[in-house]
Amino acid sequence: QQQVKQSPQSLIVQKGGISIINCAYENTAFDYFPWYQQFPGKGPALLIAIRPDVSEKKEGRFTISFNKSAKQFSLHIMDSQPGDSATYFCAASPGNTPLVFGKGTRLSVIA
Amino acid sequence: KAGVTQTPRYLIKTRGQQVTLSCSPISGHRSVSWYQQTPGQGLQFLFEYFSETQRNKGNFPGRFSGRQFSNSRSEMNVSTLELGDSALYLCASSLAAAGADTQYFGPGTRLTVL
Repeated sequence: QQQVKQSPQSLIVQKGGISIINCAYENTAFDYFPWYQQFPGKGPALLIAIRPDVSEKKEGRFTISFNKSAKQFSLHIMDSQPGDSATYFCAASPGNTPLVFGKGTRLSVIA
Repeated sequence: KAGVTQTPRYLIKTRGQQVTLSCSPISGHRSVSWYQQTPGQGLQFLFEYFSETQRNKGNFPGRFSGRQFSNSRSEMNVSTLELGDSALYLCASSLAAAGADTQYFGPGTRLTVL
């Protein structure tokens, strides 16, 4: 119940294309859903986060879509760039315990 | 504002030894969490300290322990190292308790056990 399942494990996208990463959860107590971006040799950095009172949140080229009834949320990267090549982690928390992370998606954006 | 710092950045130990890793949180942050990152298991939560008290603990053996000092700096210790302990150990700090506030990660300590 504490798991967050993330897919795909790896993703190759053409420059300018849309990258889509999906996550699913079981615990209905989760109420905070952040996405982290990690470059090699660095720690994860918060990219964007959403709470279940909204179905979508957009920040620049990054959008989180949230489907509460399906218990799924996804990250969309519009106009993907080579600089977006990194590992992306979704996570979830019920708000009073630490984040539970998905296993990560390695994104490669090729020119 | 300085970010989360971790020392050392790289460490090589042999089986059976023990190791201590250090984390200095962002100034003013009272919560420090530790995670183990491996290619197979991803990011797994070890424990969280808030105002010098362990607030949450993950599913790791007792060989893994930690503490937090009055200045919020934290250390984690792994005793009797095993090959499987080779991983990137990440520290994250937040103003409020983990899960209730944005966590900021340090660059990690890469531990290799031979």
